[in-house]
Amino acid sequence: GENVEQHPSTLSVQEGDSAVIKCTYSDSASNYFPWYKQELGKGPQLIIDIRSNVGEKKDQRIAVTLNKTAKHFSLHITETQPEDSAVYFCAASKRGGTSYGKLTFGQGTILTVHP
Amino acid sequence: GAGVSQTPSNKVTEKGKYVELRCDPISGHTALYWYRQSLGQGPEFLIYFQGTGAADDSGLPNDRFFAVRPEGSVSTLKIQRTERGDSAVYLCASSLTGGDLRGYTFGSGTRLTVV
Repeated sequence: GENVEQHPSTLSVQEGDSAVIKCTYSDSASNYFPWYKQELGKGPQLIIDIRSNVGEKKDQRIAVTLNKTAKHFSLHITETQPEDSAVYFCAASKRGGTSYGKLTFGQGTILTVHP
Repeated sequence: GAGVSQTPSNKVTEKGKYVELRCDPISGHTALYWYRQSLGQGPEFLIYFQGTGAADDSGLPNDRFFAVRPEGSVSTLKIQRTERGDSAVYLCASSLTGGDLRGYTFGSGTRLTVV
């Protein structure tokens, strides 16, 4: 089955700096890679996603890059703000055809943005 | 409802007891998922329902765990003879269809503590 590794486990940055979180996956058939933000006491919330036919996607201060050959993808947050502090998870899945939404998650990164 | 509702939000039970965790998905969502999130880890897939049927229960750890969705809406995760290792946050998610990964919505979870 799929295995997703995520690094670092904790990340501390100053407000305004950039933050980068990296993930690798094992199953070359995975074709959908979402990123989730989880705040204390809440469920994960989708913040950005990328499909395997795209190398990069950006949404305001958040961007995701994907390297299919190396089987790794990264989350980039620019101009970090204290409200970005949360746990971030990457995930992988197969999308399309008869596939359904079973997600395999990474271990999570605790991001702390200091004012 | 507006979101995925999980009850109770917290459950403390004694080792060996039986517990039921409830999930109310978003109205009209046919796909429903259960995940288990241990402390400091990413969510791990347990079971996927499409309508009333369990289409994939490969993530259930053993036969003490069982889930139902009799009318294709509300789902109940049942754990028999609870063990301390079952302590975790149990997350439920729903989506319009099994292939609708972008529409995946998580509930806030039930924190189960087995003492």
